[in-house]
Amino acid sequence: EAGVTQFPSHSVIEKGQTVTLRCDPISGHDNLYWYRRVMGKEIKFLLHFVKESKQDESGMPNNRFLAERTGGTYSTLKVQPAELEDSGVYFCASSPGRGAGNTIYFGEGSWLTVV
Amino acid sequence: GQNIDQPTEMTATEGAIVQINCTYQTSGFNGLFWYQQHAGEAPTFLSYNVLDGLEEKGRFSSFLSRSKGYSYLLLKELQMKDSASYLCAVRDLGATNKLIFGTGTLLAVQP
Repeated sequence: EAGVTQFPSHSVIEKGQTVTLRCDPISGHDNLYWYRRVMGKEIKFLLHFVKESKQDESGMPNNRFLAERTGGTYSTLKVQPAELEDSGVYFCASSPGRGAGNTIYFGEGSWLTVV
Repeated sequence: GQNIDQPTEMTATEGAIVQINCTYQTSGFNGLFWYQQHAGEAPTFLSYNVLDGLEEKGRFSSFLSRSKGYSYLLLKELQMKDSASYLCAVRDLGATNKLIFGTGTLLAVQP
Protein backbone atom coordinates (compact mmCIF):
# COMPACT_ATOMS: atom_id res chain seq x y z
CA GLU A 1 0.00 0.00 0.00
CA ALA A 2 1.33 3.42 -0.95
CA GLY A 3 2.10 5.82 1.87
CA VAL A 4 1.54 9.56 1.96
CA THR A 5 3.26 11.07 -1.05
CA GLN A 6 4.30 14.67 -1.51
CA PHE A 7 5.46 16.68 -4.50
CA PRO A 8 7.85 18.36 -5.07
CA SER A 9 10.40 16.96 -2.69
CA HIS A 10 12.51 20.10 -3.00
CA SER A 11 11.76 23.56 -4.32
CA VAL A 12 13.89 26.70 -4.49
CA ILE A 13 12.04 29.88 -5.40
CA GLU A 14 12.67 33.59 -5.22
CA LYS A 15 10.94 35.86 -2.78
CA GLY A 16 7.66 37.03 -4.23
CA GLN A 17 7.10 33.95 -6.37
CA THR A 18 4.37 31.37 -5.93
CA VAL A 19 4.79 27.73 -5.01
CA THR A 20 2.20 24.98 -4.86
CA LEU A 21 2.84 21.84 -2.84
CA ARG A 22 0.82 18.70 -3.41
CA CYS A 23 -0.05 15.86 -1.06
CA ASP A 24 -1.66 12.52 -1.86
CA PRO A 25 -2.84 10.88 1.36
CA ILE A 26 -3.15 7.16 1.92
CA SER A 27 -6.15 5.89 -0.01
CA GLY A 28 -9.29 5.92 2.08
CA HIS A 29 -7.98 8.34 4.70
CA ASP A 30 -10.53 11.08 5.24
CA ASN A 31 -8.28 13.11 7.52
CA LEU A 32 -5.46 15.10 5.96
CA TYR A 33 -3.10 17.39 7.85
CA TRP A 34 -0.45 19.89 6.87
CA TYR A 35 2.46 20.58 9.22
CA ARG A 36 5.59 22.70 8.85
CA ARG A 37 9.06 22.64 10.34
CA VAL A 38 11.21 25.70 10.05
CA MET A 39 14.95 25.52 10.74
CA GLY A 40 15.75 24.69 14.34
CA LYS A 41 12.14 24.59 15.45
CA GLU A 42 9.62 21.87 16.16
CA ILE A 43 7.09 20.56 13.67
CA LYS A 44 3.97 22.72 13.89
CA PHE A 45 0.39 22.13 12.84
CA LEU A 46 -0.98 24.21 9.97
CA LEU A 47 -4.40 22.83 9.15
CA HIS A 48 -6.69 19.81 9.02
CA PHE A 49 -9.14 18.58 6.39
CA VAL A 50 -11.89 16.05 6.87
CA LYS A 51 -12.63 14.95 3.34
CA GLU A 52 -12.92 18.22 1.41
CA SER A 53 -13.84 20.39 4.40
CA LYS A 54 -11.41 22.47 6.43
CA GLN A 55 -11.86 21.34 10.02
CA ASP A 56 -9.21 23.55 11.60
CA GLU A 57 -6.90 26.09 9.98
CA SER A 58 -5.78 27.77 13.17
CA GLY A 59 -2.11 27.08 12.43
CA MET A 60 -1.97 28.82 9.07
CA PRO A 61 0.57 31.66 9.42
CA ASN A 62 -1.24 34.28 7.32
CA ASN A 63 -3.37 34.78 4.24
CA ARG A 64 -0.47 34.12 1.89
CA PHE A 65 -1.11 30.43 2.53
CA LEU A 66 -4.05 28.71 0.84
CA ALA A 67 -4.88 25.03 1.19
CA GLU A 68 -7.44 23.12 -0.82
CA ARG A 69 -8.69 19.57 -1.02
CA THR A 70 -11.17 19.49 -3.85
CA GLY A 71 -13.01 16.19 -4.06
CA GLY A 72 -11.62 15.05 -0.76
CA THR A 73 -8.64 13.25 -2.26
CA TYR A 74 -5.33 15.02 -2.79
CA SER A 75 -4.57 18.41 -1.28
CA THR A 76 -2.56 21.42 -2.37
CA LEU A 77 -0.90 24.10 -0.28
CA LYS A 78 -0.12 27.31 -2.13
CA VAL A 79 2.17 30.03 -0.85
CA GLN A 80 1.69 33.34 -2.67
CA PRO A 81 3.76 35.47 -2.56
CA ALA A 82 6.51 33.54 -0.82
CA GLU A 83 8.65 35.27 1.81
CA LEU A 84 12.04 34.28 3.20
CA GLU A 85 10.54 33.11 6.50
CA ASP A 86 8.40 30.56 4.64
CA SER A 87 11.47 28.38 4.11
CA GLY A 88 11.19 25.02 5.81
CA VAL A 89 9.89 21.51 5.41
CA TYR A 90 6.18 21.10 4.78
CA PHE A 91 4.82 17.76 5.91
CA CYS A 92 1.54 16.23 4.93
CA ALA A 93 -0.05 13.53 7.07
CA SER A 94 -3.20 11.45 6.93
CA SER A 95 -5.23 9.19 9.17
CA PRO A 96 -8.35 7.10 8.72
CA GLY A 97 -10.15 8.57 11.75
CA ARG A 98 -9.71 11.05 14.54
CA GLY A 99 -10.34 8.98 17.62
CA ALA A 100 -7.78 7.73 20.08
CA GLY A 101 -5.65 5.05 18.54
CA ASN A 102 -5.85 6.35 15.00
CA THR A 103 -2.28 6.57 13.82
CA ILE A 104 -1.25 9.61 11.83
CA TYR A 105 1.03 8.75 8.89
CA PHE A 106 3.46 11.31 7.50
CA GLY A 107 4.90 11.94 4.09
CA GLU A 108 8.57 12.68 3.48
CA GLY A 109 7.96 16.38 3.27
CA SER A 110 8.44 19.10 0.70
CA TRP A 111 11.57 21.15 1.35
CA LEU A 112 10.97 24.77 0.43
CA THR A 113 13.76 27.31 0.19
CA VAL A 114 12.89 30.93 -0.51
CA VAL A 115 15.83 33.06 -1.61
CA GLY B 1 0.45 27.12 26.79
CA GLN B 2 1.71 24.01 25.05
CA ASN B 3 5.17 22.78 25.94
CA ILE B 4 6.92 19.53 25.15
CA ASP B 5 10.50 18.98 26.25
CA GLN B 6 12.98 16.34 25.20
CA PRO B 7 16.78 16.30 25.12
CA THR B 8 18.29 17.74 21.97
CA GLU B 9 20.94 15.09 21.47
CA MET B 10 21.98 11.74 22.91
CA THR B 11 24.78 9.32 22.17
CA ALA B 12 24.76 5.59 22.87
CA THR B 13 26.76 2.50 21.99
CA GLU B 14 25.73 -0.27 19.64
CA GLY B 15 24.13 -3.14 21.57
CA ALA B 16 23.29 -0.97 24.57
CA ILE B 17 19.97 0.38 25.88
CA VAL B 18 18.96 4.03 25.68
CA GLN B 19 16.02 5.89 27.23
CA ILE B 20 14.73 9.09 25.65
CA ASN B 21 12.59 11.17 27.98
CA CYS B 22 9.75 13.51 27.12
CA THR B 23 7.85 15.80 29.47
CA TYR B 24 4.77 17.70 28.42
CA GLN B 25 2.45 20.44 29.59
CA THR B 26 -0.52 20.77 27.30
CA SER B 27 -4.02 22.15 27.67
CA GLY B 28 -5.48 18.86 26.46
CA PHE B 29 -4.28 15.28 26.15
CA ASN B 30 -5.54 12.51 23.92
CA GLY B 31 -2.51 10.28 23.69
CA LEU B 32 1.21 10.50 23.09
CA PHE B 33 3.07 9.37 19.98
CA TRP B 34 6.70 8.57 19.32
CA TYR B 35 8.03 8.88 15.79
CA GLN B 36 11.41 8.03 14.32
CA GLN B 37 12.78 10.26 11.58
CA HIS B 38 15.89 9.63 9.52
CA ALA B 39 17.33 12.65 7.77
CA GLY B 40 15.32 13.56 4.67
CA GLU B 41 12.69 10.92 5.32
CA ALA B 42 9.15 10.84 6.68
CA PRO B 43 8.56 10.60 10.42
CA THR B 44 7.72 6.94 10.98
CA PHE B 45 5.26 5.85 13.66
CA LEU B 46 6.85 3.91 16.52
CA SER B 47 4.38 3.83 19.38
CA TYR B 48 1.25 5.29 20.93
CA ASN B 49 0.28 5.55 24.61
CA VAL B 50 -3.03 6.84 25.88
CA LEU B 51 -3.20 4.99 29.23
CA ASP B 52 -0.53 4.88 31.92
CA GLY B 53 2.00 2.12 31.67
CA LEU B 54 4.40 0.43 29.34
CA GLU B 55 3.77 -0.55 25.71
CA GLU B 56 6.30 -2.97 24.26
CA LYS B 57 6.99 -3.57 20.59
CA GLY B 58 10.03 -5.64 19.89
CA ARG B 59 13.17 -3.65 20.69
CA PHE B 60 11.13 -0.51 21.35
CA SER B 61 9.04 0.25 24.45
CA SER B 62 7.23 3.40 25.46
CA PHE B 63 6.02 4.42 28.89
CA LEU B 64 3.46 7.00 29.94
CA SER B 65 2.55 8.65 33.23
CA ARG B 66 -0.28 11.10 32.69
CA SER B 67 -0.21 12.41 36.26
CA LYS B 68 3.44 13.38 35.83
CA GLY B 69 3.17 14.55 32.22
CA TYR B 70 6.00 12.20 31.37
CA SER B 71 6.86 9.61 28.79
CA TYR B 72 9.95 7.77 27.70
CA LEU B 73 10.99 5.72 24.71
CA LEU B 74 13.27 2.79 25.47
CA LEU B 75 15.40 1.31 22.73
CA LYS B 76 17.13 -2.01 23.42
CA GLU B 77 19.93 -3.82 21.61
CA LEU B 78 20.82 -0.66 19.76
CA GLN B 79 21.80 -0.94 16.12
CA MET B 80 23.61 1.57 13.95
CA LYS B 81 20.43 2.06 11.91
CA ASP B 82 18.72 3.39 15.05
CA SER B 83 20.69 6.62 14.61
CA ALA B 84 17.89 9.08 13.88
CA SER B 85 15.78 11.83 15.36
CA TYR B 86 13.06 10.69 17.79
CA LEU B 87 9.99 12.89 18.01
CA CYS B 88 7.62 13.02 20.96
CA ALA B 89 4.15 14.34 20.09
CA VAL B 90 1.01 14.86 22.15
CA ARG B 91 -2.36 14.53 20.48
CA ASP B 92 -4.56 17.46 21.41
CA LEU B 93 -8.18 17.18 22.45
CA GLY B 94 -10.86 18.58 20.22
CA ALA B 95 -12.25 17.86 16.82
CA THR B 96 -8.92 18.11 15.07
CA ASN B 97 -6.80 15.85 17.30
CA LYS B 98 -3.75 17.65 15.98
CA LEU B 99 -0.27 16.67 17.14
CA ILE B 100 1.90 18.98 19.22
CA PHE B 101 5.56 18.13 18.73
CA GLY B 102 8.72 18.47 20.74
CA THR B 103 11.86 19.53 18.90
CA GLY B 104 13.07 15.94 18.70
CA THR B 105 16.06 14.07 20.13
CA LEU B 106 18.90 13.31 17.75
CA LEU B 107 20.32 9.92 18.72
CA ALA B 108 23.77 8.90 17.54
CA VAL B 109 24.63 5.23 17.89
CA GLN B 110 28.36 4.59 17.95
CA PRO B 111 30.20 1.31 17.33
